[in-house]
Amino acid sequence: KNQVEQSPQSLIILEGKNCTLQCNYTVSPFSNLRWYKQDTGRGPVSLTIMTFSENTKSNGRYTATLDADTKQSSLHITASQLSDSASYICVVSDRGSTLGRLYFGRGTQLTVWP
Amino acid sequence: EADIYQTPRYLVIGTGKKITLECSQTMGHDKMYWYQQDPGMELHLIHYSYGVNSTEKGDLSSESTVSRIRTEHFPLTLESARPSHTSQYLCASSDGKASGRILHEQFFGPGTRLTVL
Repeated sequence: KNQVEQSPQSLIILEGKNCTLQCNYTVSPFSNLRWYKQDTGRGPVSLTIMTFSENTKSNGRYTATLDADTKQSSLHITASQLSDSASYICVVSDRGSTLGRLYFGRGTQLTVWP
Repeated sequence: EADIYQTPRYLVIGTGKKITLECSQTMGHDKMYWYQQDPGMELHLIHYSYGVNSTEKGDLSSESTVSRIRTEHFPLTLESARPSHTSQYLCASSDGKASGRILHEQFFGPGTRLTVL
């Protein structure tokens, strides 16, 4: 069964600190992995996307890593800001789907305190 | 910023009412999707469309129905709302084309939070 597991479920950090969010998946055959940011009451917005051959991808203070062998990904947030408070969702796409089927994790709820 | 819109953003209605959640995109995308998301849970695909006059049910069974008469418009209808339909409904669209091995990403609307009393 294709699944995406994220940890931790929630995280509280102080403004300016760094943090790392984890994602493990069993989706096969693997096509790509996306990290989305979802603010409360809003739709998800894409942060990064990585294919099988990519190990790391950055977008400003967000850096995602991918280990396709162990089927693990992480999202590292540097110098956190209050506006980083949101749910971060790991989304994996399988290669065999013409639909572009996405498998969603439940997200990590990040809260940044001043 | 993705040009995909959903209305209403919030809706509180009584049991038994018929409702339609609107979704429109101005990007000319062929593929559109409806997801249902409960608090703290993952998004579940309930409907999708490959293009005009194409609609399919997703992974999660839903009593809602959809239509795709125009490329830009993908409304979702509940004939008789029940408290179990209380949830957030997210619409998304994609051009469905692949660049290399990556299917172009899905762009999400802001969502409609539905509460059925």
